[in-house]
This record gives sequence, C-alpha cells and structure tokens, in this order.
Amino acid sequence: GENVEQHPSTLSVQEGDSAVIKCTYSDSASNYFPWYKQELGKRPQLIIDIRSNVGEKKDQRIAVTLNKTAKHFSLHITETQPEDSAVYFCAAPREYGNKLVFGAGTILRVKS
Amino acid sequence: DVKVTQSSRYLVKRTGEKVFLECVQDMDHENMFWYRQDPGLGLRLIYFSYDVKMKEKGDIPEGYSVSREKKERFSLILESASTNQTSMYLCASTSLGQLSYNEQFFGPGTRLTVL
Repeated sequence: GENVEQHPSTLSVQEGDSAVIKCTYSDSASNYFPWYKQELGKRPQLIIDIRSNVGEKKDQRIAVTLNKTAKHFSLHITETQPEDSAVYFCAAPREYGNKLVFGAGTILRVKS
Repeated sequence: DVKVTQSSRYLVKRTGEKVFLECVQDMDHENMFWYRQDPGLGLRLIYFSYDVKMKEKGDIPEGYSVSREKKERFSLILESASTNQTSMYLCASTSLGQLSYNEQFFGPGTRLTVL
C-alpha cells in the first residue's frame, strides 16, 4: 500500500521568507496529491492539490510541484505571513474510494 | 457550503466505558471517514464508509467499531475505552469521484480523554 513521508516535522521562518515542505510517496500509480492546512484549534482544510498530469500548480502565494520520477511532491509558500503558521499535511491516494494516506505533518511557525 | 459537525468538542470518559462519537454531514456525501490525530503521527484512518451500512477497516481499527444507518451520519464507537485511546478524533466526508479524488471536508474534531 501507499506510504507517505513528510519533512521537515517543524519549520521556522522569518516573515517574508519562503517555506518548503517535501513529501515522498511509494506507489508509482498514485495520481492525486493534496495539501491540507490545520490552524491551531481548527479543522484541516484543503489548500491546494495537484494531479499527476501536471508538474506544478500555483495559487497566489502557494504552489505545489510534483516529480513523478522521483516520487516526491513539495509545497512552496512565498512571502510568508504570520497567518501561514499552522500544521500542514500532505497526502496521497490509497486503493480506491477517495481514501488518502496522510503524512505526519509539518508545524510551520512564521516569526514576525 | 459543506458542513461536517461532530457531537462533542471535548469528552472525558473513564476506562472501560462505551463511548459514542457522532458525525453528521449535510452535503449528501457518499464517503465518510473517521481519523485519529496524534502529534507526529499525522491523520490515521480508523474506519471508512462508502455507503449506508457499508464499512471498511482502516489502518488502526482495533478497539473501535462504526455504524452508518443513515447517509448523513457516521458514528464511531469505542467498545471499552482505554487510556491509549486518548486522542483527537476527526470525521471527514467526500463525494464519490468517478475518475478522480475529491476534497475531504473535516469536522471540528473531538478531543477525547480517557482516565
């Protein structure tokens, strides 16, 4: 089955700097890679996703890149702001039925 | 706007008690999930349901059972609560995708403490 590893587990950046979180997956057939953000005390919410027919997707300050050969995908946040502080989870599909395998999470702290 | 609600935000139970956690979604989603969230372990799937009365075990089903009698409601049951089940429990739902995956919508979570 699918296995997802996420690094780093914690990341501190200065406001305005960029942040990068990387995930690797094991199943070469996987074709959908979402990123969820969970602010303190709140529920996880989808912030961006990418499907395997594209290599990069952007939405304002966030972007996701996918390297199918190396089986990894990354979340890039530019011009970080204090409200970007949260736990970020990557995920990859498992089997069928919209099931996902989640990474262990990255705690991002943006220092102002 | 999809809404997923959970019956309690905080719950304190004693070892050996039977515990019910309920989740309700209002978007007619076919798929519903129960996850457990622990620091450093991410979101681990306990059980999955793809239709009324249908269920599948996830990665950590031991000590848990589920019930889905109506499409909008998915219940997680701890048959005999133990201290190692102290955790945050998250419910999620998603519509049935034909060829691709769809966004999972999460509930606010229930923080369960077993004493």
